Amino acid sequence: EIVLTQSPATLSLSPGERATLSCRASQSGVSSLAWYQHKPGQAPRLLIHDAYKRAAGIPARFSGSGSGTDFTLSISSLEAEDFAVYYCQQTSNWPLIFTFGPGTTVDI
Amino acid sequence: QVQLQESGPGLVKPSETLSLVCSVSYDSISTFFLSWIRQTPGKGLEWIGYIHSSGNTNYNPSLKSRVAMSVDTSKKQFSLMLNSVTAADTATYFCAKHGTSAWDFESWGQGTLVTVSS
Repeated sequence: EIVLTQSPATLSLSPGERATLSCRASQSGVSSLAWYQHKPGQAPRLLIHDAYKRAAGIPARFSGSGSGTDFTLSISSLEAEDFAVYYCQQTSNWPLIFTFGPGTTVDI
Repeated sequence: QVQLQESGPGLVKPSETLSLVCSVSYDSISTFFLSWIRQTPGKGLEWIGYIHSSGNTNYNPSLKSRVAMSVDTSKKQFSLMLNSVTAADTATYFCAKHGTSAWDFESWGQGTLVTVSS
């Protein structure tokens, strides 16, 4: 089973700064990689799918990159509403399993 | 815009069966892949399994022996049953609709907290 590791665990930044979040898979075989934003008491929100494609309605300041076992979510200029927990999620084809990373908290 | 809402008992006794329903607000669920996902403090987000609106299912091997999912297309509802629960099953349970590629989750419910305790 592919295990995802996210770093750093916590990222303390100010509005306007750039955030760079990392997601690393324990082995090759990641068929698809997605990123989600989650705020307490709310539904998680899909930001990026297929490693780099922004989901509908997601601002351009969010971007995804990477392939193989190393993936990155970047937020070009943090806004107040971006402070949240971010999870990466991978799908492996055989067996068909979905797994999540432990999350990165972006706080002020 | 799809809306999902989880419902069910917030408290379940150990060894009993956890039962949740995900109600969907949308024109039709005839082509839905829907997953159940839970969040625990200790294990983070854990995918439980998915069901297609046709009734085909795929479960996480770690939970497969205890999980059953079903769908009622006329009511636009998906159901989750998890039997023989223990305290380790205490979690917030989410239902989530898969995206077009079926490899990600494009819409989520807000989640429902289920506590396993006597």
